[in-house]
Amino acid sequence: QVQLQESGPGLVKPPETLSLTCTVSGASISSYYWSWIRQPPGKGLEWIGYISYTGSTKYNPSLQSRVSFSIDTSKNQFSLKLTSVTAADTAVYHCARRQFGSGREWFDPWGQGTPVTVSS
Amino acid sequence: DIQMTQSPSSLSASVGDRVTITCRASQSISSYLNWYQQKPEKAPKLLIFGASSLQGEVPSRFSGSGSGTDFTLTISSLQPEDFATYYCQQTFSIPLTFGGGTKVEIK
Repeated sequence: QVQLQESGPGLVKPPETLSLTCTVSGASISSYYWSWIRQPPGKGLEWIGYISYTGSTKYNPSLQSRVSFSIDTSKNQFSLKLTSVTAADTAVYHCARRQFGSGREWFDPWGQGTPVTVSS
Repeated sequence: DIQMTQSPSSLSASVGDRVTITCRASQSISSYLNWYQQKPEKAPKLLIFGASSLQGEVPSRFSGSGSGTDFTLTISSLQPEDFATYYCQQTFSIPLTFGGGTKVEIK
């Protein structure tokens, strides 16, 4: 059974950098693409981007100037960095596996999410 | 960006009811549409991909239909464990976007 677990600081001061890690168990990180999605309090889901096992990335244009992903195959982990954070970046951050089939893509499974508050 | 609009934003229903949730895309997305279920404090769970393909372990009371701009998620007979928030997602173009969610509550 594939499981994903997010980790990182729950509080970040503006305008510092938010750093999160997703640890994958039950599957090799080298076989899939991996994604980050966030959910601001009381709001819907926002796709941040994804990274392949080779390290190629695709980001949401609204965040592209501030976000970067990395992958560590030796630890079966991938990470997110978001620079110059503001209160608008306060959210629960989920990681998820990106899957393909029949020309379609979807996210499955997801991590439970880790809450991040941006506040001084 | 493709905007995804779900309706209703919330609904109250009883166990055994047939429930229908609608998702409309701001432009045609063919069948590049997924549905997820999220319970409080839990990870979202994939229900349906490609507009109508049921994910392996999802009960058959869930079904999806639609193509182009209009899509539907149907729960044929609502069960206690189905009370949750449901999200649609388009994967036709970047940025991938989600609907605002539909909260299904107990009547």
